Amino acid sequence: DAMVIQNPRYQVTQFGKPVTLSCSQTLNHNVMYWYQQKSSQAPKLLFHYYDKDFNNEADTPDNFQSRRPNTSFCFLDIRSPGLGDAAMYLCATSSYSGRAYEQYFGPGTRLTVT
Amino acid sequence: RKEVEQDPGPFNVPEGATVAFNCTYSNSASQSFFWYRQDCRKEPKLLMSVYSSGNEDGRFTAQLNRASQYISLLIRDSKLSDSATYLCVVLNQAGTALIFGKGTTLSVSS
Repeated sequence: DAMVIQNPRYQVTQFGKPVTLSCSQTLNHNVMYWYQQKSSQAPKLLFHYYDKDFNNEADTPDNFQSRRPNTSFCFLDIRSPGLGDAAMYLCATSSYSGRAYEQYFGPGTRLTVT
Repeated sequence: RKEVEQDPGPFNVPEGATVAFNCTYSNSASQSFFWYRQDCRKEPKLLMSVYSSGNEDGRFTAQLNRASQYISLLIRDSKLSDSATYLCVVLNQAGTALIFGKGTTLSVSS
């Protein structure tokens, strides 16, 4: 039973053409995250929502935006993708579990920029 | 100094071997620690949380040494299915984000 769902799993876009990646969750978690992971690198946090509160990491490029219309859905918008934005984009959710946040990841969307 | 550092490996071991991974973190105020497993081209999955003096889950044992800012993961009786990248993860001081190490790659062979 999928708990964190990402669509599409694979996305090809052209250089400079806006693209939107989507994430949905059935866990009713109040926190949702977007990570970027390039080959052989650690996942890098782009931003996260705590309920409706948006938190942007300081080094996240302005090219990346996010929307969370409700608890279940969160979107990642890349306004003008460059070749360097090709990566796996991971959505994750969490809810305080008593001692620490434990995050659950979706399967990711692999973005190719041509 | 990087926030979370791991030996990238790869570690190549035969089935049945015991293997240990190490990880250091730079922020002494960090409170929560995790090991995640990531298979090739898949998402990270939580393997185990690491609490205060450490914990055990079957063949996996995680240890935490706060004085040395050091976390370890021990895998006993390795299986072929244990082949993956193991990510050491630390919750940031604000408790809002996970900081990932680059991961240690394990390859178990028959």
